[in-house]
Order: sequence, then structure tokens, then C-alpha cells
Amino acid sequence: KQEVTQIPAALSVPEGENLVLNCSFTDSAIYNLQWFRQDPGKGLTSLLLIQSSQREQTSGRLNASLDKSSGRSTLYIAASQPGDSATYLCAVRRRQGGSEKLVFGKGTKLTVNP
Amino acid sequence: DVKVTQSSRYLVKRTGEKVFLECVQDMDHENMFWYRQDPGLGLRLIYFSYDVKMKEKGDIPEGYSVSREKKERFSLILESASTNQTSMYLCASSEPRGRMDRTGYTFGSGTRLTVV
Repeated sequence: KQEVTQIPAALSVPEGENLVLNCSFTDSAIYNLQWFRQDPGKGLTSLLLIQSSQREQTSGRLNASLDKSSGRSTLYIAASQPGDSATYLCAVRRRQGGSEKLVFGKGTKLTVNP
Repeated sequence: DVKVTQSSRYLVKRTGEKVFLECVQDMDHENMFWYRQDPGLGLRLIYFSYDVKMKEKGDIPEGYSVSREKKERFSLILESASTNQTSMYLCASSEPRGRMDRTGYTFGSGTRLTVV
């Protein structure tokens, strides 16, 4: 059974700091990995999608890496801002029987203090 | 901007009522999904659909049904709402895995349902 773990569960940093969020998964047979952001009471916003054949993706101040063999992904946020405060979720897309499934971690709640 | 639109942001319903949650996507995606999200339990898959008039049970289908009469619309139905169905409900869509999946899953803004 695929499990996705995100550490830490919560993180508080001062504005301007560079930070790394971690995601690990138990089964390396994934199609891709997606990082999402969720603001309180809102839906999920996709940040980055990394295909299983890729090593990293970048969007602005965000960089996500994928090491499929070790079952790890990291989301790097450069020069953090108070507006980055949110819960960050990673999810892996994998085959399950004759269909597929997106398996989520529980998220890391990030607080960036002014 | 491509979107998944959920018809209601907040709903309050009474125990025993039949509740419809509507979801519409404009990306011509084949796949659509319904999740619920609860503190400490994360996101759990209720039902999904890979095509019109097709549906598959997810991890927690009990107490729910779905309808997909058109490609762009996927409805979640609570046949007789109960207080333990109070939750945040999230709809999502995606391309089939067989295609080059460039966008991953796209989620709606969520419906916060309270059953009293």
C-alpha cells in the first residue's frame, strides 16, 4: 500500500528565509508527483507537477525535486514571504488495480512571519 | 484560465435531507473525482469517473452516490445526509494517464457542508 509522509507537519520561519519541505513515498512505481498549496477553507492549487522521468521542476521561487529510487521529493521555497503561509500537500499518482489513484500526504502547515 | 467549479462554497443541510453537490470542469477532462477532507484524516477519495455514465467507488463510498450524465459535470449525492458527513468536499479532474499528463489534477475551490 502506497503511503505518503510529509515532514515536518508544521513549520514557522521568518520572512526572507529559504526553506525545504519534505515528502516521502513508499512505492517508487509512480506516474508523477504533484505539489499543491491549500489556504484555510479553500481548495487545492497545483504548484508543480513532476513526471516520473523528471528530476525537478521550477516555477518562480519554487523548485521541486524528485528522487524516485529513494522515494523522496522536496519543495524548495526561496526568499519566503508572508503570502506563502499555507498548507503544502504532496501527492503521488500511481496505478491501482485496473485504474489509478492519487495518494496524498497529510501536509505541512507553513507560517512565514513578517 | 482552466477551471473546476463547485456550485456552492458553503451549505447547511438538515439530517435526512438529500443533498446534491455539483462540479463542472471546462478542460474537457475524462477523469473526475470527489474527495472529502477532514482534520487529521487528510483527503479521502469517495467516488471517481473515467467517462460519461461511468463511476467507480473510492475508499469511502458509503452514504454517497454520484452521477455523470455529461463529460463536464460530476455530481455527488448524499442520499440521506447525516452529521458525520459534515466535511469539506473537493472535486477534481484530470487527463487520462494514457495521455501525456501535463497538468496533473485540477481541484475546485471546495464546498464546506454542515449537516445539522
